[in-house]
Amino acid sequence: DIQMTQSPSSLSASIGDGVTITCRARQNINDFLNWYQQKPGKAPTLLIYAASSLQSGVPSRFSGSSSATEYTLTITGLQPEDFATYYCQQSFSAPYTFGQGTKLEIK
Amino acid sequence: EVQVVETGGGLVQIGGSLRLSCGTSGFTFSRFSFMWVRQAPGKGLESVSYISGSGVTTNYADSVKGRFTISRDNAKNSLYLQMNSLRVEDTAVYFCAREGNGLASAIDYWGQGALVIVSS
Repeated sequence: DIQMTQSPSSLSASIGDGVTITCRARQNINDFLNWYQQKPGKAPTLLIYAASSLQSGVPSRFSGSSSATEYTLTITGLQPEDFATYYCQQSFSAPYTFGQGTKLEIK
Repeated sequence: EVQVVETGGGLVQIGGSLRLSCGTSGFTFSRFSFMWVRQAPGKGLESVSYISGSGVTTNYADSVKGRFTISRDNAKNSLYLQMNSLRVEDTAVYFCAREGNGLASAIDYWGQGALVIVSS
């Protein structure tokens, strides 16, 4: 199974701030990297697929990028509804493993 | 409208069995791969099992290999997860998840989840 290492595990920020979450793959995953948002008691929702493609309906303040086996989710201009837990997932090789998650909290 | 609904969760004893079902509607079921993803209380997401649209290809996490079996019935638009020899560490919410087409295999639809509690 491909191991995904996500950091930080938690993050505090204020409304209007920008934040960055990083995910590293143990091996090359050819940009088969996705980002999800999960709110308490709910199923995750897809934000970004293929490292940098924005899922339909997702605000443009969310963006993704990649450099070799390092992937980044950036949120600019944080809104109240953005405070949630974020997960990366590789979809290069089944089982499609997830990162450990990053909990984004209001400062 | 795409709908994905899990059923079959509940309380089961250690070593027991349980079968989860996932009913779907609003799309051509056989054209999509599916997976089961679980989340233990207060923990992160774990991919448990995967099945291709035809059902020919399946895959399991090491933690459930040999105990869980994924299957599908394309005539009934349904996905299943047979769970045997259950352990306390299998306690989790189990999500049925559809792999989107043209989305680099990302999950585009999730069910609401079914809670499985394994207890002595």
